[in-house]
This record gives sequence, C-alpha cells and structure tokens, in this order.
Amino acid sequence: SQQGEEDPQALSIQEGENATMNCSYKTSINNLQWYRQNSGRGLVHLILIRSNEREKHSGRLRVTLDTSKKSSSLLITASRAADTASYFCATDNGGTSYGKLTFGQGTILTVHP
Amino acid sequence: GAVVSQHPSWVICKSGTSVKIECRSLDFQATTMFWYRQFPKQSLMLMATSNEGSKATYEQGVEKDKFLINHASLTLSTLTVTSAHPEDSSFYICSASGAWWNTEAFFGQGTRLTVV
Repeated sequence: SQQGEEDPQALSIQEGENATMNCSYKTSINNLQWYRQNSGRGLVHLILIRSNEREKHSGRLRVTLDTSKKSSSLLITASRAADTASYFCATDNGGTSYGKLTFGQGTILTVHP
Repeated sequence: GAVVSQHPSWVICKSGTSVKIECRSLDFQATTMFWYRQFPKQSLMLMATSNEGSKATYEQGVEKDKFLINHASLTLSTLTVTSAHPEDSSFYICSASGAWWNTEAFFGQGTRLTVV
C-alpha cells in the first residue's frame, strides 16, 4: 500500500527559483529516498537519507528528515528548466526485504525558462 | 552504483498473448528483486518481491497466476504477463536491493507495455 503522501501534487516555478517538495509517511523507516522521473522514463536516484540523519546535501539538492513528524522535504535550489520532472519519495521500512520501497504519490515540477 | 538492466524497454502485444520482461543485475548478485507497476500519471506500486530460488511474494490484489515471476539465478528475474489485456498496459520497472544493508535500490530502465 502507498504510505507516502507528497505535496504539492504539482509545482510550477520560474528558472532560478527554489522548489520545495514535502513527503509524509506512516510507519517507521530505515531510510527515505528521493527519485526523479522524466516523462515516460525510468527512475533517477537523487539522494538517500537514513533514519538517524536529519539533513543531507548533494549539489543543489537538500533533503531533511524529521522522524518525529514522519516527514521529509526535498529542496532544489536555483532550479533549471532541465529539473522539470516528477519527483517521488520512497521509504524503505527495513525488515527482511530491505530495498523494498513504498512510493509517495509524487510531485510534478515544471520549471519555466 | 550497481547496474540493473531491464529488457525490453518497450513492447506492443496483442490481447491474449503473453509477454516476458527480464531484469538482470549486471555487476552484483541480487537475492531479492522487486517488480513495480506504474499507470499513467500515477505513482509506482509494488507488485511482488522476487526471491532467488523460491516463490515470489505478491502484494495484495496482484494476481500471481497472471503475473508470473521467476528468479532462477542471482542475476536474473523475469516477469511474464500472461494472457495480456489492454488494462495491463502500463510501465513495469524492476529493482534490485544492494548487497548491503540500508543502501539505495537499483532500478532497471523500465518496460512500457502496450496491449492492443
């Protein structure tokens, strides 16, 4: 079952602006991962944050994790038109099948040049 | 990171026929692989967990007789959509877990299935 909820469902911004997407989940996790998907294509792994981490950076990406609120956010700074894509959070709940992911509903990001 | 190769990337088949999709881990051994399905403008839904040398574990609502999964080796899992119907048209994507705990999953490129 889908346990991740993302908001907003769609986000439209101008190039150069920052984009923030949020993800909430329901059960305890081992880690939370963010993926990007261009229209009709496969997934690109962006960043993984473990349950004992609170913040992680990778280039223009900043991810935060608040396990007490069961939520995460993805910030893309200085957005570019090429960032236009769907973004999904996915939780790995651990257990015997590690690597088994539950995906959020996704945020469609449109960056206008 | 590790590489997972999925084949074919797209396939069109006639209603009533079967289609096989392959998922290979190229540079590591994957005892567990996962199959997801994504309908247009929706998120990815886990269909089943594929375990090497044993039966797959299907998620609730997924017909195991329709979606046959075989994981005969540590590097190959296959998904066969049997007696395909237009409503099976979807994007199917596999992933393999890393060989170590708490690391990213590695995804194949996905397969776009269109049943006509």
